[in-house]
Amino acid sequence: DTAVSQTPKYLVTQMGNDKSIKCEQNLGHDTMYWYKQDSKKFLKIMFSYNNKELIINETVPNRFSPKSPDKAHLNLHINSLELGDSAVYFCASSPFAGGAADTQYFGPGTRLTVL
Amino acid sequence: GQSLEQPSEVTAVEGAIVQINCTYQTSGFYGLSWYQQHDGGAPTFLSYNGLDGLEETGRFSSFLSRSDSYGYLLLQELQMKDSASYFCAVRSRNTGGFKTIFGAGTRLFVKA
Repeated sequence: DTAVSQTPKYLVTQMGNDKSIKCEQNLGHDTMYWYKQDSKKFLKIMFSYNNKELIINETVPNRFSPKSPDKAHLNLHINSLELGDSAVYFCASSPFAGGAADTQYFGPGTRLTVL
Repeated sequence: GQSLEQPSEVTAVEGAIVQINCTYQTSGFYGLSWYQQHDGGAPTFLSYNGLDGLEETGRFSSFLSRSDSYGYLLLQELQMKDSASYFCAVRSRNTGGFKTIFGAGTRLFVKA
């Protein structure tokens, strides 16, 4: 059984387009995250949701809009895609937002290429 | 603000022992985690240290010194499959709540 799944795995699109990435976790976790990993492998937190509520919103352009219809799903919609958005986007989940220990379970990643 | 520093690359020989260091600066520190990521794969959790000292899990151990704002990951009996990137991650709590920030990662190359 897949714990954290993302679709699609690969996404190739033109500049200016709008695209969405979906994430689902079946671990029963309360907290979900979106990370961006660039070509230098730096893992940057973008958003964090706890039980459908936004709790972390790092300095991300407002072209990026997360949506959490329920605590098992966290989708990422990107408007007006730019070349600099090309990266691997990882979804992750952890049991709860308020714990000292924070074991995060990552999805397989979505490789986004903007042409 | 928060910052983490770890070496960008480490090379070691199969069967050897390697230590990957991580120094951090943050307020409201709670703990230090380590994650492994193979090329093309997702980060996977290795260990968490909330208290000073050594935590051992098989061939991997992780150490934390809160007074020195320092930790390390120790990999013993290196195998080729240990070639991967290793990330330290700081867990902290401030007015905005808990947050986990990842370091830039250390690329480990294991040679035969």
